Amino acid sequence: AQSVSQHNHHVILSEAASLELGCNYSYGGTVNLFWYVQYPGQHLQLLLKYFSGDPLVKGIKGFEAEFIKSKFSFNLRKPSVQWSDTAEYFCAALSGGSYIPTFGRGTSLIVHP
Amino acid sequence: DAGITQSPRHKVTETGTPVTLRCHQTENHRYMYWYRQDPGHGLRLIHYSYGVKDTDKGEVSDGYSVSRSKTEDFLLTLESATSSQTSVYFCAIRTGGTDTQYFGPGTRLTVL
Repeated sequence: AQSVSQHNHHVILSEAASLELGCNYSYGGTVNLFWYVQYPGQHLQLLLKYFSGDPLVKGIKGFEAEFIKSKFSFNLRKPSVQWSDTAEYFCAALSGGSYIPTFGRGTSLIVHP
Repeated sequence: DAGITQSPRHKVTETGTPVTLRCHQTENHRYMYWYRQDPGHGLRLIHYSYGVKDTDKGEVSDGYSVSRSKTEDFLLTLESATSSQTSVYFCAIRTGGTDTQYFGPGTRLTVL
């Protein structure tokens, strides 16, 4: 079965620090990849997604992610975090032909002002 | 937010009582999902639907049933609520063109 691993469970940063959250998936075929953000007390919102083409994907709020097929990875990055980026971040993978994505366990990010 | 609403948004109930949560969408998406979110477990799929009257179980379906009599509504029922079903429940839809899930605002359910 497909799995998604988010290796960083909790990340604490100061404002202006750079961010990279890891995501690895297990499926070897065609895969669509997603990052969602969940601000405290809110629902999951789509940050960005990769289907095909340029492996560097830009999303909202200055986030980007890079798909590296050889490493089965889709890491999320932001060059300079803000206090308002404090949230939980979920990576998800959807294998080709499926309609049920697999979610990682999430990474809690706390940004200190 | 893909026109998804959930009701109620908050509910407190007692063990053994039936509870129904409603998910309503306005954009005629074929696929709808129910998840629960618990600390340390992330999101877990309860049930999903791929059309009117077409539903299937997810990984944590025990104690839950669903119904979809109209495209726009997907109901989740806890036949006899237990304290272990205290959770936040999210409904989601999948857009046909982009295979992307969008989530509703959630329902916080407390079973005493």
